[in-house]
Amino acid sequence: DIQMTQSPSSLSVSVGDRVTITCRASQGISNYLAWYQQKPGKVPKLLIYAASTLQSGVPSRFSGSGSGTDFTLTISSLQLEDVATYYCKRYNSGPTFGQGTRLEIK
Amino acid sequence: EVQLLESGGGLVQPGGSLRLSCAASGFTFSSYAINWVRQAPGKGLEWVSAISVSGGSTYYADAVQGRFTISRDNSKNTLYLQMTSLRADDTAVYYCAKALFTMVRGGAPMDVWGQGTTVTVSS
Repeated sequence: DIQMTQSPSSLSVSVGDRVTITCRASQGISNYLAWYQQKPGKVPKLLIYAASTLQSGVPSRFSGSGSGTDFTLTISSLQLEDVATYYCKRYNSGPTFGQGTRLEIK
Repeated sequence: EVQLLESGGGLVQPGGSLRLSCAASGFTFSSYAINWVRQAPGKGLEWVSAISVSGGSTYYADAVQGRFTISRDNSKNTLYLQMTSLRADDTAVYYCAKALFTMVRGGAPMDVWGQGTTVTVSS
């Protein structure tokens, strides 16, 4: 099975910071990669699919890049409402989520 | 409004069974694959199962293969998950989630999620 590994597991950041989360697949998955945001006590929300395509309604400060095995999610200027756990997920076959990256405010 | 609403969760003893339902509204249910995803208390997301638009193709995570069965009734706009031989590690919030577009071997981004239903397996 293809494993998805996110880093870091948690991140303490300040409002306005540029934030980068990485996701690595144990085998190549082309661009079959999505990113989700889950705020505390809330349902997951799709942010990005096909590694870099922004889902409708998602703020443009979110962006994704990568292909093959290495992917990144970038928040260009962190806002207070971005405090959440972020998950990558491959979907080239039976989906696999990364373990999550928890963002908190310093 | 596009909506998914899960039901059927509850407390069940180890080895028991439970059937979850997911009622869809606000979109053409029969045109989209649907998934079940679960989240154990304090843990991350885990994909459980997916079903194609017709129900003819089904996919399962290794952890539930042979114990869980996904199905759908397009006439009732409803998805089901029949869970048997339940174990303590099946305890989780179970979400149904709509595929954004056609699945690739069971995989697709998920753009609409229900609020979840809680399954607790304990004696």
